[in-house]
Formats: sequence, structure tokens, C-alpha cells
Amino acid sequence: EADIYQTPRYLVIGTGKKITLECSQTMGHDKMYWYQQDPGMELHLIHYSYGVNSTEKGDLSSESTVSRIRTEHFPLTLESARPSHTSQYLCASTHHNVLTFGAGSRLTVL
Amino acid sequence: AQSVTQLDSHVSVSEGTPVLLRCNYSSSYSPSLFWYVQHPNKGLQLLLKYTSAATLVKGINGFEAEFKKSETSFHLTKPSAHMSDAAEYFCVVSEGAGGTSYGKLTFGQGTILTVHP
Repeated sequence: EADIYQTPRYLVIGTGKKITLECSQTMGHDKMYWYQQDPGMELHLIHYSYGVNSTEKGDLSSESTVSRIRTEHFPLTLESARPSHTSQYLCASTHHNVLTFGAGSRLTVL
Repeated sequence: AQSVTQLDSHVSVSEGTPVLLRCNYSSSYSPSLFWYVQHPNKGLQLLLKYTSAATLVKGINGFEAEFKKSETSFHLTKPSAHMSDAAEYFCVVSEGAGGTSYGKLTFGQGTILTVHP
């Protein structure tokens, strides 16, 4: 049973819309991450957080933003979606360096 | 800085034959190493991890991996492939405590394993 919950699982929207991908974990983990995965490609870290009020940019530049107001919640926001944002977004948290992933949010921007 | 290279983008085996998925890494500090598996339309699942204990690590579903510092390798093996093993496998490295990237994990490019009947 997943301890990290991502919603929506699938989202198809038009260009210019604002979207928020939700990520929640019930394990009390301090460290949380967002990865972006294009089909057939490796995962790229786009954001991470070491705890409440901590957010950092990852290795891959992204136009998205994140917030960490509560330990269990790490939403990702795109203010104005574009077709280039079409991808799968995976949320994860760690405890002792072991990642637990959510099921992912597959975003398609038309 | 840390990096990981999976040497094969695709591996194809017959059911019942051995599996070898190759992974090389580089790390400035004593690394932690992981293998994750991703089945189609499912989330990533941890197979096994190495964190400076025994160099031969046993994971779930009969997989194991051996950490070889001299070769900077962490290859994943299984004696006998099963149809259900068909998936994409990711080798992952993380620098341990004290490294500036502690807690950040770097993924390899992935290896797609196909298992033929």
C-alpha cells in the first residue's frame, strides 16, 4: 500500500493553465523530492526539500515551483503550462536514504 | 559530484536464464547504492540497497547485487529470469552523510529488461 499519494494520476490541460500536482506522505519523512521522467528517459531531480520551509532546485532546471508548509505535503505548481511541460512527475520521500515513490502524475499539455 | 552509468539500455533474456544488468558509478564520498524497478504504469519499487555493510546485497524477487569498489560497479543479477521480471531497472547512487548532496539521489538512464518465453 502506497504511503505517498499523488493526485491527479493523469491530467490533460490546455496551454496557459495553472496546475498544481499534489503530493502527500504519511510517514513523517523530512526529505521530499520531485522527479521528472520523460518516456524512455532517466529520472531527473527538479526540486527537493529537507523539511518545512525548505525548498531547493534540483539538477534539472524547471519552470515549476514547490512549497513545503507542512511536513506531509509537497505540492508542485506550474503557473502557465506549456506543451514542453508534458511529462511524468514523480514525488518521493526518503528515510535513511531509501526513496519511497508515489505512483506519479502524468501531465499532458495540449 | 556523483554520477551513475547503466551500460545497457536494453537487455533481452529467455525465461529461466540468468540476468545481468550492469551499473558503474562515480562518487566523491562513500556512496549508498540502490536498484529500483519500474513496471509499466506502476510506481518505482526498491529492489535492494548497499549502504557500506556486506558487499553482496540480496534483494526481493531473487535479485542480488555486488558492490565492487575497485571497479566502481554495482551490477544486478538474478540466476533465473521470470516473465514477471520484465520491467525497467534503475541504478541509483547517493553520497553518504557528510557529502554536500546528502539525501539527493542520482538515477542512471535505466535498463529495459525483456524476458522471452
